[in-house]
Amino acid sequence: DAKTTQPPSMDCAEGRAANLPCNHSTISGNEYVYWYRQIHSQGPQYIIHGLKNNETNEMASLIITEDRKSSTLILPHATLRDTAVYYCIVRVAHGGSQGNLIFGKGTKLSVKP
Amino acid sequence: DAGVTQSPTHLIKTRGQQVTLRCSPKSGHDTVSWYQQALGQGPQFIFQYYEEEERQRGNFPDRFSGHQFPNYSSELNVNALLLGDSALYLCASSLGGPSGMRHNEQFFGPGTRLTVL
Repeated sequence: DAKTTQPPSMDCAEGRAANLPCNHSTISGNEYVYWYRQIHSQGPQYIIHGLKNNETNEMASLIITEDRKSSTLILPHATLRDTAVYYCIVRVAHGGSQGNLIFGKGTKLSVKP
Repeated sequence: DAGVTQSPTHLIKTRGQQVTLRCSPKSGHDTVSWYQQALGQGPQFIFQYYEEEERQRGNFPDRFSGHQFPNYSSELNVNALLLGDSALYLCASSLGGPSGMRHNEQFFGPGTRLTVL
């Protein structure tokens, strides 16, 4: 089973920041938080990952709480093309689980004009 | 730079039949993982191939089998199809197998939509 809990759906106005929460209260010390998204009729796409520090790349920012039990993915200026299902996944960075991404049901983000 | 490609895009089979799905990894990748995604659910890991061997396997029966070729491409075979096998089958490629590079994100193909009637 997935080790994360996410709201099933969220709405966001175009141009505004989208903040997607994820609860991972049982995360282990060697597990990272990964985010993927799946646009309709496409395969999942990697977005970002982090361990305990906040991370930012060209797609998004990841804010992880100090106790690491939850995190938030931030899309700073959401566009209609960001409408997708967003998956939060916790896993070790390497080793035996390398091939095994455990997906939950994710959050369906709808960006509205 | 070609990404992950899968064929066919859609397929319709009947119960009891066998099916073969194909995947070509992203250029430079040597590891292929297969996932099954039922409607409304997240993808579920089937197995991973590296160096032409199955390296990891999820909770799927042995009706699901695979193969990896010397050029790193891969096939997923499903025998004795059941109605419940109807799903989107996703292929993902990466580098270095189960013990590959850290933070080696997987690149997914567009999937093959299998319908079993």
